[in-house]
Amino acid sequence: DAGVTQSPTHLIKTRGQQVTLRCSPISGHKSVSWYQQVLGQGPQFIFQYYEKEERGRGNFPDRFSARQFPNYSSELNVNALLLGDSALYLCASRMGGQGPRENSPLHFGNGTRLTVT
Amino acid sequence: KQEVTQIPAALSVPEGENLVLNCSFTDSAIYNLQWFRQDPGKGLTSLLLIQSSQREQTSGRLNASLDKSSGRSTLYIAASQPGDSATYLCAVDTGGYNKLIFGAGTRLAVHP
Repeated sequence: DAGVTQSPTHLIKTRGQQVTLRCSPISGHKSVSWYQQVLGQGPQFIFQYYEKEERGRGNFPDRFSARQFPNYSSELNVNALLLGDSALYLCASRMGGQGPRENSPLHFGNGTRLTVT
Repeated sequence: KQEVTQIPAALSVPEGENLVLNCSFTDSAIYNLQWFRQDPGKGLTSLLLIQSSQREQTSGRLNASLDKSSGRSTLYIAASQPGDSATYLCAVDTGGYNKLIFGAGTRLAVHP
């Protein structure tokens, strides 16, 4: 079975531009979440979507937005890029949704490396 | 506010050694704790998940323990191999929105 797939793998953008990152979850997984990982740090939570609805948002500005499609794939959009947005963006999927009854592990993709110049 | 700390930040050992990686968290109200492995420039691979009601989990040469009351977890790697070289991250799940809170990781190098 294919794991979580992300595209593109690498991206170079200029300050002020907009970027769209894509993610396809593991087949059968309905929950997708996005994380930002700056070099040398652990990933930080950006969004979670479950059944096409936003269920959680981390401490990121409104320049960051996302959506989930009927086939459970997801896009992350970042507007007005800043140099500080340079990072590895990770997508993760999980079988179920959230909360104490959901104890299945998160499965991560290989990420999209975004460089803003 | 939940904070996760991993010690040491980096570790270099000769092949064959048994080693322990440490993870501590400030708020014991967690639902589970996960250990991940990350190779350079790659995504995260889930190694072990310990539910809050469990004390430990084992997979092959890996054993992870959880002491929720003291806010600590350890990852034990037996008979380390060069292929174990990677960054190991622990993360706590506070039960909402798949919001894992990660430590900064321990960078492990196992040399032949």
